Amino acid sequence: GESVGLHLPTLSVQEGDNSIINCAYSNSASDYFIWYKQESGKGPQFIIDIRSNMDKRQGQRVTVLLNKTVKHLSLQIAATQPGDSAVYFCAENMKGSGANSKLTFGKGITLSVRP
Amino acid sequence: DAGVIQSPRHEVTEMGQEVTLRCKPISGHNSLFWYRQTMMRGLELLIYFNNNVPIDDSGMPEDRFSAKMPNASFSTLKIQPSEPRDSAVYFCASSTVGGRTEAFFGQGTRLTVV
Repeated sequence: GESVGLHLPTLSVQEGDNSIINCAYSNSASDYFIWYKQESGKGPQFIIDIRSNMDKRQGQRVTVLLNKTVKHLSLQIAATQPGDSAVYFCAENMKGSGANSKLTFGKGITLSVRP
Repeated sequence: DAGVIQSPRHEVTEMGQEVTLRCKPISGHNSLFWYRQTMMRGLELLIYFNNNVPIDDSGMPEDRFSAKMPNASFSTLKIQPSEPRDSAVYFCASSTVGGRTEAFFGQGTRLTVV
């Protein structure tokens, strides 16, 4: 079946550098994508989202890029800080009938920030 | 708003016992999701409700699992009988517009079945 997946299980970056976390999706019917951050012992927290009619969206220190041609999603974090250390998930919302749809998550990738 | 509230935060039970996990979604949200998280399988959607009605329960692993949403402010996930392989963190999340906006997650219930 179709699913959301992540290219790399872990990513280690130097504090102050930019981080890029990648995600591949395979469901062409998905029209809404979200990046979540999960810290130890907590539930996933919303970071940024993007709809399929856009290819880029910027937030505070974060940018999400969507390439529908190759079904690829990425999260860019500028000037990575120790507080960014967490597990990051991409999620896709698959279009369903009417207002019904469901959010499906990738496996997650651990971002580790070196001081 | 206090966010999505789950209880208990931790549950340790013996194999064969019934376990009930509880969730209070954010007021005004009309969609509620139950997820299970394990190291091996990541975050798996078990079931979701729109306006208190179960829409998709294809993720529920087997008949031992059941979920209810008797009203807009409360949902339960029940496992009967529980097995060691059910050990995981169970998250409840809620959102508006049938999940077409971001879902807000609770802190989760860590279930250990011994």
